[in-house]
Amino acid sequence: QQPVQSPQAVILREGEDAVINCSSSKALYSVHWYRQKHGEAPVFLMILLKGGEQKGHDKISASFNEKKQQSSLYLTASQLSYSGTYFCGTAGFGNEKLTFGTGTRLTIIP
Amino acid sequence: DTGVSQDPRHKITKRGQNVTFRCDPISEHNRLYWYRQTLGQGPEFLTYFQNEAQLEKSRLLSDRFSAERPKGSFSTLEIQRTEQGDSAMYLCASSSDWLREKLFFGSGTQLSVL
Repeated sequence: QQPVQSPQAVILREGEDAVINCSSSKALYSVHWYRQKHGEAPVFLMILLKGGEQKGHDKISASFNEKKQQSSLYLTASQLSYSGTYFCGTAGFGNEKLTFGTGTRLTIIP
Repeated sequence: DTGVSQDPRHKITKRGQNVTFRCDPISEHNRLYWYRQTLGQGPEFLTYFQNEAQLEKSRLLSDRFSAERPKGSFSTLEIQRTEQGDSAMYLCASSSDWLREKLFFGSGTQLSVL
């Protein structure tokens, strides 16, 4: 079943922060986050495995709450280059493929 | 850089024709995935391979779709008797481990069925 992302779209000014949420109705083993710009392939951001970990690099971080089957992606001090559509991909136990979410379109304006 | 490559980048065909796409994964990757993406939607799983074995095929896929990965190297996706609803971006991705490692996506093949 496809994970649900929220919000569907968000517009920010450069330097503002954003949070993108991903919720699944199934127990999760891992959550992937990807960013896709128009006309391009999705690009990997990070993976979170079960255990409720949090990861981050530069100004992008993410958390994974396996009890709630939710993950959140945090973008701080957003840059113009952060614009694009963000997808979470989830995998359950014994499920060896990623199911991608509905997407969140992020627009950063100067 | 030997990333995932897909060919062709664009394909325009008439309804009822057969089309075949090719994907060359990163050479050491044993997992290969095919996804389909329509405008404004997330990638939708079609099928995946572990080496040359096709391990899962989406129930959404009709019998008109077939995929192969001979010798566990490149993969082909064929659509027979194309329909207008098949118009989409077809993405190939590869990885070295089932889901502890990231997927590397190709640039995709944009199919337009007229």
